[in-house]
Amino acid sequence: QQPVQSPQAVILREGEDAVINCSSSKALYSVHWYRQKHGEAPVFLMILLKGGEQKGHDKISASFNEKKQQSSLYLTASQLSYSGTYFCGTESAGGTSYGKLTFGQGTILTVHP
Amino acid sequence: KAGVTQTPRYLIKTRGQQVTLSCSPISGHRSVSWYQQTPGQGLQFLFEYFSETQRNKGNFPGRFSGRQFSNSRSEMNVSTLELGDSALYLCASSLGTHSERADTQYFGPGTRLTVL
Repeated sequence: QQPVQSPQAVILREGEDAVINCSSSKALYSVHWYRQKHGEAPVFLMILLKGGEQKGHDKISASFNEKKQQSSLYLTASQLSYSGTYFCGTESAGGTSYGKLTFGQGTILTVHP
Repeated sequence: KAGVTQTPRYLIKTRGQQVTLSCSPISGHRSVSWYQQTPGQGLQFLFEYFSETQRNKGNFPGRFSGRQFSNSRSEMNVSTLELGDSALYLCASSLGTHSERADTQYFGPGTRLTVL
C-alpha cells in the first residue's frame, strides 16, 4: 500500500522552512527520501532505518517515528535549488524487500526568490 | 564513479510493438531495480535483479520482463505495447549487500517511452 505524503504542494520564499510528511499504514523497516527535478532522475537524499534515528545533511534533515510509521523531512533556510518534487520510498518491516521501495505520490516544493 | 546510465533516453513506438530498454548500474553495484513513473500512478516497482536472478516482482502483467547479465547490466522488455505503457522507465542500482533489504538506490535518468 502506497504511503501518503503531505502536503501535496508547498510554496516558499527563499530562507523559509518546510516540513514534508510521509505516513504508512504498514510497519516500516526503512524510509528513503528523494528529490526529483523536472526531466531529471530522482536524487537520493537520505535513508532512515527503524529505531527512530534522525539524520541530517546540511540544511535538510529527517526523522522516523517508528510508533506512528511516519517520517518527516525538514528543509531549513530553503534555497532556490531545493525546488522539485520530493518522494518518500518505504520498505515494509515484514518479509523480504529485495530492492522494492513503495513510493508516495510526491510533494511539489517551489521556492521563489 | 560514473552514475547509472540508461539507453535509449527517448523512444516512440506504436501499439503492438515490443521494446527493450537498457540499464548500466554504477560500477560495483550488483542489484538493479526497475520502476515505471507516470503522472497518475507515480513511481511503481516493476522488478529487481541481483546476480542475474529476479528476486522480486511488482504487480505488472507478464508483458513486462527483464534480465540481468553477468556484468550486472540489465534490460527490461515490454511486449505488445499498449497506450497505457507510455511512461518514464527508471532503473536504480544499489550495492545489494543486504540479503533481504533494500539498499540505498541510485536512479538513472530514465527512458521516456511514448506509445502511439
